[in-house]
Amino acid sequence: AQTVTQSQPEMSVQEAETVTLSCTYDTSESDYYLFWYKQPPSRQMILVIRQEAYKQQNATENRFSVNFQKAAKSFSLKISDSQLGDAAMYFCAYRSLYNFNKFYFGSGTKLNVKP
Amino acid sequence: EAGVTQSPTHLIKTRGQQATLRCSPISGHTSVYWYQQALGLGLQFLLWYDEGEERNRGNFPPRFSGRQFPNYSSELNVNALELEDSALYLCASSLESDGDIQYFGAGTRLSVL
Repeated sequence: AQTVTQSQPEMSVQEAETVTLSCTYDTSESDYYLFWYKQPPSRQMILVIRQEAYKQQNATENRFSVNFQKAAKSFSLKISDSQLGDAAMYFCAYRSLYNFNKFYFGSGTKLNVKP
Repeated sequence: EAGVTQSPTHLIKTRGQQATLRCSPISGHTSVYWYQQALGLGLQFLLWYDEGEERNRGNFPPRFSGRQFPNYSSELNVNALELEDSALYLCASSLESDGDIQYFGAGTRLSVL
């Protein structure tokens, strides 16, 4: 079964600095999607970034980028130039291409941003 | 364009009662997903509906059920409520053709007393 592990329950970063959130996953599949979602206090989950496993190039969305290491089953999120609005819970998620539309989420990392 | 909407925002029930949660997907989305987010835990997949049919189900007892209506909105029903059912219930929708990206609502906070 697929599992997603986020080993950092909580992290803090100074405004304007860079922070990296870790995520590892376990799968025997070769094709899948990986996601980072953000859940601010408003509770609404927002997609931050998506990575397709068959693509070697790491996904980037403005200040957000990932380090995807397929062999190591690692998918970390780097937030550059952190802003106060980045403070939220961040969830790493895995979606199988074979068990269609079944998502697996990690337990989340709470990110605090200090002014 | 309206996002995924869920109602009610907060629901308080007592043990043994039934709870009904509602979700309206983004216009044009045919798939609806339900997740349970208990305190301190990640999201646990509950149910997936598409075109009015239940397509997949997570590891939850049968007292968790739901349905999808012809307009693609959905209900989640939880019967015989237990204290451990207290959680945030999130609904998400996706286009069938682009099912890898799910768009979430703000959730319903269910408190079982």
